[in-house]
Amino acid sequence: EPEVTQTPSHQVTQMGQEVILRCVPISNHLYFYWYRQILGQKVEFLVSFYNNEISEKSEIFDDQFSVERPDGSNFTLKIRSTKLEDSAMYFCATTIARSDPGTFGSGTRLTVV
Amino acid sequence: ELKVEQNPLFLSMQEGKNYTIYCNYSTTSDRLYWYRQDPGKSLESLFVLLSNGAVKQEGRLMASLDTKARLSTLHITAAVHDLSATYFCAVDRGQAGTALIFGKGTTLSVSS
Repeated sequence: EPEVTQTPSHQVTQMGQEVILRCVPISNHLYFYWYRQILGQKVEFLVSFYNNEISEKSEIFDDQFSVERPDGSNFTLKIRSTKLEDSAMYFCATTIARSDPGTFGSGTRLTVV
Repeated sequence: ELKVEQNPLFLSMQEGKNYTIYCNYSTTSDRLYWYRQDPGKSLESLFVLLSNGAVKQEGRLMASLDTKARLSTLHITAAVHDLSATYFCAVDRGQAGTALIFGKGTTLSVSS
């Protein structure tokens, strides 16, 4: 069964450093999303990406965050200057259509120290 | 603002018992989703409910949707230990977009 691949699985970074989280979507999927889940809490929407541009973003997705699809395969989330409160599990999800529940990747656990 | 509320947030059940998890949402939405998450793992899609009155069943789990009441239920029949996990409901943002807004999740623990 096709999978959404995320790398790295775990990243530890110092506060103020930049991090890039990577996702390889399922090849025929068109809609890409980043969500995050702070430990033990609910899953929160960050941003969606369609047709090579951001289609929606939440209040969490401020100027410190950016997304891109640099080479037509990877879908990346960059956090420019990490804060302690950015520590969370970040999930990439991709879907083929609007009503599709989506396939979630296994996540990247980001720890900011 | 779209809100999704689940209750209960924690549920401890004995094997063989039945129970229902409730998911209320605050605005009109076309689609409702149920996911399962095991500790430290990703989210696995369980059900997609696309219309009023929709009912889906898989094994011991059955989900339903009442769009007029803005309520979905996930019913567990004769619980077994393997159902222990956290269950999330989510709705899309409707006209605002395709992204999902999740409830806080219901952590289910089934013991013998």
